[in-house]
Amino acid sequence: DTAVSQTPKYLVTQMGNDKSIKCEQNLGHDTMYWYKQDSKKFLKIMFSYNNKELIINETVPNRFSPKSPDKAHLNLHINSLELGDSAVYFCASSRDSASYEQYFGPGTRLTVT
Amino acid sequence: RKEVEQDPGPFNVPEGATVAFNCTYSNSASQSFFWYRQDCRKEPKLLMSVYSSGNEDGRFTAQLNRASQYISLLIRDSKLSDSATYLCVVSSYNQGGKLIFGQGTELSVKP
Repeated sequence: DTAVSQTPKYLVTQMGNDKSIKCEQNLGHDTMYWYKQDSKKFLKIMFSYNNKELIINETVPNRFSPKSPDKAHLNLHINSLELGDSAVYFCASSRDSASYEQYFGPGTRLTVT
Repeated sequence: RKEVEQDPGPFNVPEGATVAFNCTYSNSASQSFFWYRQDCRKEPKLLMSVYSSGNEDGRFTAQLNRASQYISLLIRDSKLSDSATYLCVVSSYNQGGKLIFGQGTELSVKP
């Protein structure tokens, strides 16, 4: 069974479009995260939710909007996609917000043309 | 200055070699430290936590020097399967417990 799953795995789209990435974890964890890994391999946190509540919101353009319908799901919606949004987006989860061991999903490789 | 700095490499070593990676962090309030491993085009996975007293897991040894704000990872008897990027990770309560990742050090073990 996949612990943290993301869909889609690959996403190619044009500038200006709106797209969503979905994430689900079956570990029973309370906390979920979205990270962005750019072409230089830096992995940076974007958002964190604990039991459906937003607890970390980094300096991210408001074109990015996370939504957590329940604690097992954290989706990421991106409006008006730009070339600079091209990256790998990883979802992760941890037992709770104080737990430092995070389990990552396989990543969604987003390419904006 | 980046919060967590690592030599990006790549480190190219023969099988059986010993290799050491270094990492420095800028936030003196950091209190938790880790090494994650990321295989090419895969997700990061926790390799080991790093404690002040140092800790060992098989061929891997991690050390922390709080005074110098320096973390290291030593890999002995390198295997081909050790080829990956090793990410130094730091966390602190004054940043809400979020993980700060270094750029990663790429290791390539050759036969």
